[in-house]
Amino acid sequence: DAGITQSPRYKITETGRQVTLMCHQTWSHSYMFWYRQDLGHGLRLIYYSAAADITDKGEVPDGYVVSRSKTENFPLTLESATRSQTSVYFCASTPRQGAHNYGYTFGSGTRLTVV
Amino acid sequence: TQLLEQSPQFLSIQEGENLTVYCNSSSVFSSLQWYRQEPGEGPVLLVTVVTGGEVKKLKRLTFQFGDARKDSSLHITAAQPGDTGLYLCAGPPGNMLTFGGGTRLMVKP
Repeated sequence: DAGITQSPRYKITETGRQVTLMCHQTWSHSYMFWYRQDLGHGLRLIYYSAAADITDKGEVPDGYVVSRSKTENFPLTLESATRSQTSVYFCASTPRQGAHNYGYTFGSGTRLTVV
Repeated sequence: TQLLEQSPQFLSIQEGENLTVYCNSSSVFSSLQWYRQEPGEGPVLLVTVVTGGEVKKLKRLTFQFGDARKDSSLHITAAQPGDTGLYLCAGPPGNMLTFGGGTRLMVKP
């Protein structure tokens, strides 16, 4: 089915481990985003990508790495997970510039717990 | 300090009541969007307002963009339990959206 899918839905990992969260969209949207959602902080932008091979930092990029070798995929890697990275992570996409014209479509999220 | 401040943070009401939630900023936005998020899911776009003073209706939901494009409100008439969720406003600096902290609404039957 068309859409934006995230995997896994739930993940528990240990401090210091590397973990990768996957995001796949089927619309060929140019823009893709990673947000984290925490109580008291709302949704905060981690990284975004305007096209394949183009990525840029958002508000809270430290400790995260992204890549975008294909338009449809935008994985997020925590290089060495810390407890402060326990959160719900959302991937989103939008077709082109001018987010206000199209809005974002979000995935269902990945709930990550770092123990 | 968030660019977009939403109030109230929490709201618990009975079915059939009316309510208004607010989204305020000291900055001017070219547009504002409203999303609703249900537990365990990502936010879903409800509406985009673009013109200062604009009013949009979506069934029992009425959205208004302030004349100065610094604030927006969401009014729900005769709330129903299905309206329960987290309501988020968002605005674009450039091609990215910045989100408010949200209003968590619970409508009790």
